[in-house]
Amino acid sequence: GQQLNQSPQSMFIQEGEDVSMNCTSSSIFNTWLWYKQDPGEGPVLLIALYKAGELTSNGRLTAQFGITRKDSFLNISASIPSDVGIYFCAGRGNTGKLIFGQGTTLQVKP
Amino acid sequence: GAVVSQHPSRVICKSGTSVKIECRSLDFQATTMFWYRQFPKQSLMLMATSNEGSKATYEQGVEKDKFLINHASLTLSTLTVTSAHPEDSSFYICSALLPGYEQYFGPGTRLTVT
Repeated sequence: GQQLNQSPQSMFIQEGEDVSMNCTSSSIFNTWLWYKQDPGEGPVLLIALYKAGELTSNGRLTAQFGITRKDSFLNISASIPSDVGIYFCAGRGNTGKLIFGQGTTLQVKP
Repeated sequence: GAVVSQHPSRVICKSGTSVKIECRSLDFQATTMFWYRQFPKQSLMLMATSNEGSKATYEQGVEKDKFLINHASLTLSTLTVTSAHPEDSSFYICSALLPGYEQYFGPGTRLTVT
């Protein structure tokens, strides 16, 4: 099925560093969502974006809905060890279904 | 709020048997639930959309006779993997749509078919 292009695939950073990841699509989406998944668990919703150009923060997390409606990015500032996990973007178009990116695996070195 | 549970969290079954996975929305009513499948180190792939009181809508390539979905109440959807085979081993995740908002995901069920 259709997938979003999410990058980078993985990141290994030092505690305290900022992190940036993004998703792009050939299709226009009406909604962009960012989830975090811990090993053996289901995804947890971090940020939801509903308007092109929208910039939303949730604590140290900031995400933006691209103006073209075909991309979104997620930034994490001042990373901490508990930020470790897999981050997924997800887009929703006119079908109403969520399309997930391939995920970005984040590892944080204390 | 918006808690979704799954049971069991992990199950091992023998090839040829059937296994049922339950998905419950604990603090809200969900007319729509979804079932996803996730292989190791891969993304979530939508299998089907479960609608309370009506038949599920399956994604292309998903066998509806193999993956039986029943959404009998506003808080419960079940996925039954019939005549399971080793290739059905996977992580199955459900989600429930909080009306007016987004999907909330369950913790997943690890199925191993031996």
